[in-house]
Amino acid sequence: EVQLVESGGGLVQPGGSLRLSCAASGFIFSSYSMNWVRQAPGKGLEWVSYISTSSTIINYADFVRGRFTISRDNAKNSLYLQMNSLRDEDTAVYYCARWAGDIAGRRMIDYWGQGTLVTVSS
Amino acid sequence: SYELTQPPSVSVSPGQTTSITCSGHKLGDKYACWYQQKPGQSPVLVIYEDNKRPSGIPERFSGSNSGNTATLIISGTQVMDEAEYYCQAWDGSSVVFGGGTKLTVL
Repeated sequence: EVQLVESGGGLVQPGGSLRLSCAASGFIFSSYSMNWVRQAPGKGLEWVSYISTSSTIINYADFVRGRFTISRDNAKNSLYLQMNSLRDEDTAVYYCARWAGDIAGRRMIDYWGQGTLVTVSS
Repeated sequence: SYELTQPPSVSVSPGQTTSITCSGHKLGDKYACWYQQKPGQSPVLVIYEDNKRPSGIPERFSGSNSGNTATLIISGTQVMDEAEYYCQAWDGSSVVFGGGTKLTVL
């Protein structure tokens, strides 16, 4: 059974930092690209970042570029999101999400974690 | 940047057929997929590659994609289908979500 378990969320002050982790199990982690997707309270889904299987391709949404860093450790079956210079508007549930594939027709998220809440507030 | 537009809300009576649209420039040239999200839960993939259903998704869910519009169709809508629905496409370098449509079954 595929499982994605996020951790590391919490309350942080504006300008602060937080590191999210996602522990993956039930599949060959190194064979799948991964994403972080967030959802602000009462709002829609918002893609944050993508990382390919061997970390050679990394993409960010414009609103986090330069502040957030995605990474992965295939030996530990783990995905990370380092978040710096946090703003009030970064408050959201952050989901770890498995990318089904990097070919046409497979560019979709087939598994989601349960999410971890990040609250940015003074 | 690429954008996908969905109606904020759609209402349907139980047993009826409903459709939710997702509009984007030449969306038909890309593949679209759809997610269902119920309150307090993570999203679930219900349609991929425009019109394919993942294992475990009821046959009443179907999809189409042509021109500038992708459509999620729910036939014989059930009360359990009440949820938020999001379309998604890939614009070449990023994942793009529609704003979401709240489906009310009443």
